[in-house]
Amino acid sequence: LAKTTQPISMDSYEGQEVNITCSHNNIATNDYITWYQQFPSQGPRFIIQGYKTKVTNEVASLFIPADRKSSTLSLPRVSLSDTAVYYCLVSMNTGFQKLVFGTGTRLLVSP
Amino acid sequence: DAMVIQNPRYQVTQFGKPVTLSCSQTLNHNVMYWYQQKSSQAPKLLFHYYDKDFNNEADTPDNFQSRRPNTSFCFLDIRSPGLGDAAMYLCATSRDGGREGQPQHFGDGTRLSIL
Repeated sequence: LAKTTQPISMDSYEGQEVNITCSHNNIATNDYITWYQQFPSQGPRFIIQGYKTKVTNEVASLFIPADRKSSTLSLPRVSLSDTAVYYCLVSMNTGFQKLVFGTGTRLLVSP
Repeated sequence: DAMVIQNPRYQVTQFGKPVTLSCSQTLNHNVMYWYQQKSSQAPKLLFHYYDKDFNNEADTPDNFQSRRPNTSFCFLDIRSPGLGDAAMYLCATSRDGGREGQPQHFGDGTRLSIL
């Protein structure tokens, strides 16, 4: 499994766009990237997943460059309720998937 | 709504007294997982059931065991809890091992305290 590296913490203000970058230099051909969000005293919640280029859903966008050695989770116009820990994970697209959580990024959104 | 439900949300037990945490799911997923998450740390996989097949992580202490009597339910048994076992325990499910397009679905956890 490819190791991931993320910033430990980020600060933002309400209404701003937040971009959290994850480095995964050893990503393999069959690996894909998944982001989870975790609020205090709750389980992680799936946000978005992608293999290459750009993926967008109702809550976030995921940008993956051609070399796939990094990915960026983009949260448009964050609110106070987006304060959480965000985990980037890399998993293989074959066989059983074991999630190995890294340290995550603690995002604090202020008024 | 279909979901993963963990009971109780908070559990207090005494040092060395066996404790069981429960998880149920209405997603009909064939894989169920148990994670341990200590304060300010990331979740760490303890073991999982792929259908009826139990798969233990190499570094999971023998003190931790699990049962899955049917598709919907899975239990985490801690035989002799120590102070170091105080943590949030998270149950998760996925379909067919969670490949792309099949993410894991987590419950909200049981926070275990040891007295």
